[in-house]
Amino acid sequence: DGGITQSPKYLFRKEGQNVTLSCEQNLNHDAMYWYRQDPGQGLRLIYYSQIVNDFQKGDIAEGYSVSREKKESFPLTVTSAQKNPTAFYLCASSIRIGGFGYGYTFGSGTRLTVV
Amino acid sequence: QKEVEQDPGPLSVPEGAIVSLNCTYSNSAFQYFMWYRQYSRKGPELLMYTYSSGNKEDGRFTAQVDKSSKYISLFIRDSQPSDSATYLCAMSSNDYKLSFGAGTTVTVRA
Repeated sequence: DGGITQSPKYLFRKEGQNVTLSCEQNLNHDAMYWYRQDPGQGLRLIYYSQIVNDFQKGDIAEGYSVSREKKESFPLTVTSAQKNPTAFYLCASSIRIGGFGYGYTFGSGTRLTVV
Repeated sequence: QKEVEQDPGPLSVPEGAIVSLNCTYSNSAFQYFMWYRQYSRKGPELLMYTYSSGNKEDGRFTAQVDKSSKYISLFIRDSQPSDSATYLCAMSSNDYKLSFGAGTTVTVRA
């Protein structure tokens, strides 16, 4: 079955540590996204990528980094510069036809907690 | 002011009731409108997709868009306990990026 796989489901980070969240899709979608979800704030865009080897900052990119070396993969690194990383992280992908992405397909998310 | 405003609720209704959800927005360039459903600790899933103004119906779900008022709605008829979830509105102009509302948490009581 086609879909998006995020791993791990739960992740614990110590202060000052970098961690990487994995996102893999087998939908042959061109675009991929990372969102952060906090209670009462909805989804906020961290980074997005429209094609391989290209990505753009979203609204809250500080303290995060990404890479897009393969169409299927879009890993997110939460660096020690991110001061409040505890959140639910969602990866998504979309296909673009006629100039618009027809909605997103989301992964099941990774819950990151700082300990 | 947020680009997309959505009342977070929570909203609690008895089984069989009509659930009414809505969002307002400020960007007049938005022309693609979506509703997502998110169960606890899961990723959102696309429920309804609407282009421009008008109504769209899919089973028990009806989505309405009023671009003149910058207002969109989702109605759930004959609500079931399995409809208990957080509902997120999302919208976009003509590029890849979606702008999301904060989500409304709905509980349908059996």
